[in-house]
Amino acid sequence: AQSVTQLDSHVSVSEGTPVLLRCNYSSSYSPSLFWYVQHPNKGLQLLLKYTSAATLVKGINGFEAEFKKSETSFHLTKPSAHMSDAAEYFCVVSDYGTGGGADGLTFGKGTHLIIQP
Amino acid sequence: EPEVTQTPSHQVTQMGQEVILRCVPISNHLYFYWYRQILGQKVEFLVSFYNNEISEKSEIFDDQFSVERPDGSNFTLKIRSTKLEDSAMYFCASTPQGNYGYTFGSGTRLTVV
Repeated sequence: AQSVTQLDSHVSVSEGTPVLLRCNYSSSYSPSLFWYVQHPNKGLQLLLKYTSAATLVKGINGFEAEFKKSETSFHLTKPSAHMSDAAEYFCVVSDYGTGGGADGLTFGKGTHLIIQP
Repeated sequence: EPEVTQTPSHQVTQMGQEVILRCVPISNHLYFYWYRQILGQKVEFLVSFYNNEISEKSEIFDDQFSVERPDGSNFTLKIRSTKLEDSAMYFCASTPQGNYGYTFGSGTRLTVV
């Protein structure tokens, strides 16, 4: 079974300062991990994904995440926040090797990122 | 960039009515999914579909729900008799192979009144 814990329901940072959104996961197999962003009244947009290649993954809009197996973490970071980054962010895990590969994704509860001017 | 298309973007229906949500997955994808997000809650897996049959479904996907691929392009979610608690954003997704390369649609917001 797989699960995801996003440690903060809300994160507030000032524009131009670093962003850190925390995510821990559990997985029975070698997981794939994703970060999705959802702007108000919009769909889910993939920010980045980890699929057992490089542990530091770079995504769109300056975001990156580091897969740390020993800590079972996949935290999302950005060096300098922009007002347009204000949105809901979801950490997502997917197990390979279960259910024939068609058992879907498991989403975290989401972190609401607030950018202060 | 290929897209998953969902229609309508917003649907309002009366409690007890049947509703069909429509999705056009990416043309060369083989796996199709429906997810649901109740307002203020996390995105939840409903069902996956492969080779013209359901591969996996969650506890949410009870007898009121059904999925169908009526032709070579559409993938539909039907709710037979809607309840107030079915109000949510419904996302369709597709992948070229299981659990990899997900593309999500922009969602259909279903409001049951």
